[in-house]
Amino acid sequence: QSALTQPASVSGSPGQSITISCTGTSSDVGSYNLVSWYQQHPGKAPKLMIYEGSKRPSGVSNRFSGSKSGNTASLTISGLQAEDEADYYCCSYAGSSTFTYVFGTGTKVTVL
Amino acid sequence: EVQLVESGGGLVQPGRSLRLSCAASGFTFDDYAMHWVRQAPGKGLEWVSGISWNSGSIGYADSVKGRFTISRDNAKNSLYLQMNSLRAEDTALYYCAKEYTTVTGPSDAFDIWGQGTMVTVSS
Repeated sequence: QSALTQPASVSGSPGQSITISCTGTSSDVGSYNLVSWYQQHPGKAPKLMIYEGSKRPSGVSNRFSGSKSGNTASLTISGLQAEDEADYYCCSYAGSSTFTYVFGTGTKVTVL
Repeated sequence: EVQLVESGGGLVQPGRSLRLSCAASGFTFDDYAMHWVRQAPGKGLEWVSGISWNSGSIGYADSVKGRFTISRDNAKNSLYLQMNSLRAEDTALYYCAKEYTTVTGPSDAFDIWGQGTMVTVSS
């Protein structure tokens, strides 16, 4: 159960698009289309942004999109806004016979 | 209002035990799997443990396996985490989280989170 690998930081100017990668293994990201993404502002609880790789819960802006290729999932934020500045975490189901999950290392998004 | 409220955190010495609770309200608790996720100060999120709606499926992170036990009481709308043999590295904010479910079924994601309860393991 090693943490999924994310870049420590990503930055962009308002209006630009940025992409955060999340690299796992064939035992987690690569085996299941069950990657979720969370946004966390300082001192706040995480918020679900993407589930099942590319689906958005009701109420989440369509500026957020997810995808996957092989063992790497990605979160793209388009039309970057000041309120998007936060930490972002990916998470993948990692169990076959067990009920387990693994989070990514986290990415700090800075809006320049 | 859908809400999760954790309690039971505090300062505890290494090797001792602590039991966390999570009180759920605003939704049908026994329809959903529930999880514990922790975050050490200044660090990232770590999934700790999860339990299915009927306690039939349970999982633990390798870092807590054999020391922590998750349970639930659907009659009381409550989730628990019994933490034994605590170590300094267990120091973290512990969140309770509900599994996100859509019309097609469980999605293996977490949509409702509590505000967390802080556990500090130190002598």
